[in-house]
Amino acid sequence: DTEVTQTPKHLVMGMTNKKSLKCEQHMGHRAMYWYKQKAKKPPELMFVYSYEKLSINESVPSRFSPECPNSSLLNLHLHALQPEDSALYLCASSGLRQGASDEQFFGPGTRLTVL
Amino acid sequence: AQKVTQAQTEISVVEKEDVTLDCVYETRDTTYYLFWYKQPPSGELVFLIRRNSFDEQNEISGRYSWNFQKSTSSFNFTITASQVVDSAVYFCALSEAADSWGKLQFGAGTQVVVTP
Repeated sequence: DTEVTQTPKHLVMGMTNKKSLKCEQHMGHRAMYWYKQKAKKPPELMFVYSYEKLSINESVPSRFSPECPNSSLLNLHLHALQPEDSALYLCASSGLRQGASDEQFFGPGTRLTVL
Repeated sequence: AQKVTQAQTEISVVEKEDVTLDCVYETRDTTYYLFWYKQPPSGELVFLIRRNSFDEQNEISGRYSWNFQKSTSSFNFTITASQVVDSAVYFCALSEAADSWGKLQFGAGTQVVVTP
């Protein structure tokens, strides 16, 4: 099973709402990623979790809060977002080997609109 | 600084034509990895290929082929006999071994439009 699933597919929220994005993988991967992608741009890395610990936070505003409850799940909690946060949010996972970069497998994304 | 350059913003071809996507990268690491991903209109990034810096063999997979040339820091991608289903944005990406977490640095992407 080489699938990464994400829910919901679409999300519309107001600036005062609190919502969560969910990501799941069952490939036994120990690294999981959140990316943000604006229209006609490449994905931008937000967070990396390795062995369920936050390894990279690319200076993301605190209104985005990641959580990794276990090795298969990754959440992104959203609170007090701004309209400019509207984007496609992609989750990915990969194996983790010392000094090597395995391919990342991406989920279908959550298309977020902040009103 | 931009580490991966995809100079072609958009390429339009008619079905059955070949199309080559250019990718030029920049790194000081001797060990690094190069990737190509396809992003169709649905949005999901689909992994196509991974190459490490020590493996300069060109690769062919069906209608897809890749030409890796360290001398020119290029990793170009060719679609032979293009089909409408090949219409997508294609991203080239670099990961440096010095980065333990496999951080991908993407190029800007090339939009491929294949018309019947």
